[in-house]
Amino acid sequence: QKEVEQNSGPLSVPEGAIASLNCTYSDRGSQSFFWYRQYSGKSPELIMFIYSNGDKEDGRFTAQLNKASQYVSLLIRDSQPSDSATYLCAVGASDMRFGAGTRLTVKP
Amino acid sequence: DAGVIQSPRHEVTEMGQEVTLRCKPISGHDYLFWYRQTMMRGLELLIYFNNNVPIDDSGMPEDRFSAKMPNASFSTLKIQPSEPRDSAVYFCASSPALTTGNTIYFGEGSWLTVV
Repeated sequence: QKEVEQNSGPLSVPEGAIASLNCTYSDRGSQSFFWYRQYSGKSPELIMFIYSNGDKEDGRFTAQLNKASQYVSLLIRDSQPSDSATYLCAVGASDMRFGAGTRLTVKP
Repeated sequence: DAGVIQSPRHEVTEMGQEVTLRCKPISGHDYLFWYRQTMMRGLELLIYFNNNVPIDDSGMPEDRFSAKMPNASFSTLKIQPSEPRDSAVYFCASSPALTTGNTIYFGEGSWLTVV
């Protein structure tokens, strides 16, 4: 069974702080890694993807991948109340597996 | 562009009844996925199709569940007979190709309650 684990949270940060979300995966052969954001009552929406070791930045979001440690993370800089949502880590392609999600609350 | 379209958005049914969920993928996408999301189990892959052919149905919970894709623009997920433990949000998703640079796009979900 290919597992994707996330710190369950909930995670609460003040507005303007950095939020750090973590994910580990069990399948060493995985090549594709994604972060989805899901607002309550809505469907998941893609915010970041990463395939190579290292950092990938997109605006306030930075994804970090370490294949040797089987670890992927998402940093949200200058967190805003609108970032409050559940963040899902996803690994794989045709058999994309999702973590249970980390609920983030950004307090004004 | 229209996204993935699912129907019904909400359904409440009695235990033992047949439930049919419908999905129209994004035009041109070769892959279609059915996921189920619950608080207890998170987002689970049930089955996926490539060019209308079921490729992996190992996530389908039991024989009460079946999925079909008769053509490139339509898929159904059927539960017969339904049980209260089937209550969940069922997401359909599609993808143009499962290569680097592509991901899957979700529909709005079908919220199923079995009483």
